[in-house]
Amino acid sequence: AQSVTQLDSQVPVFEEAPVELRCNYSSSVSVYLFWYVQYPNQGLQLLLKYLSGSTLVKGINGFEAEFNKSQTSFHLRKPSVHISDTAEYFCAVSEVAGGTSYGKLTFGQGTILTVHP
Amino acid sequence: DAMVIQNPRYQVTQFGKPVTLSCSQTLNHNVMYWYQQKSSQAPKLLFHYYDKDFNNEADTPDNFQSRRPNTSFCFLDIRSPGLGDAAMYLCATSRAILMGSEQYFGPGTRLTVT
Repeated sequence: AQSVTQLDSQVPVFEEAPVELRCNYSSSVSVYLFWYVQYPNQGLQLLLKYLSGSTLVKGINGFEAEFNKSQTSFHLRKPSVHISDTAEYFCAVSEVAGGTSYGKLTFGQGTILTVHP
Repeated sequence: DAMVIQNPRYQVTQFGKPVTLSCSQTLNHNVMYWYQQKSSQAPKLLFHYYDKDFNNEADTPDNFQSRRPNTSFCFLDIRSPGLGDAAMYLCATSRAILMGSEQYFGPGTRLTVT
């Protein structure tokens, strides 16, 4: 079975500072990796995804993430955050193939990013 | 714009009184999902439909049922809500269950049980 660990439950940063939100996963098979953002009282919006190819993935709103297979990590980064980036961020994995879990997303516990002025 | 719509956004029900949450989509996606998200927790998949095929997660309580009368609509029925069922319920869709398809989420329905 697959699992996802987001290493920080809360990350406070100042505006225009860089940020990294950490995500590690565990799976016995190859995976697809996703980062979603959730603003208060709203659904989840896809930031970026890794399916294959280049390990550095660029997403919306200036975010990027790097897939590291040896470390089973998929950390999310932004070089300069804005107040509007304040939200909860979820890392998720989906197994590439096999069984009844095909396509099922497993989410991490979420990281609340708070950007202070 | 194509989208996933959930109604109502906020629902209050009484303990034990059946409630139905609604989801519709204009994306023409063949997969629809229902997630439960409790406060400060990750979304938890309850079940999904691949076209008309219903797939229940092993740990989803029998109290939760779902209907998908057509491609566009999917309903979540909670037969006898308990206080522990208070949560945000998220509907999502995807084009196919293969190849890491992105899931598109609705805004959610926040359920309160009194």
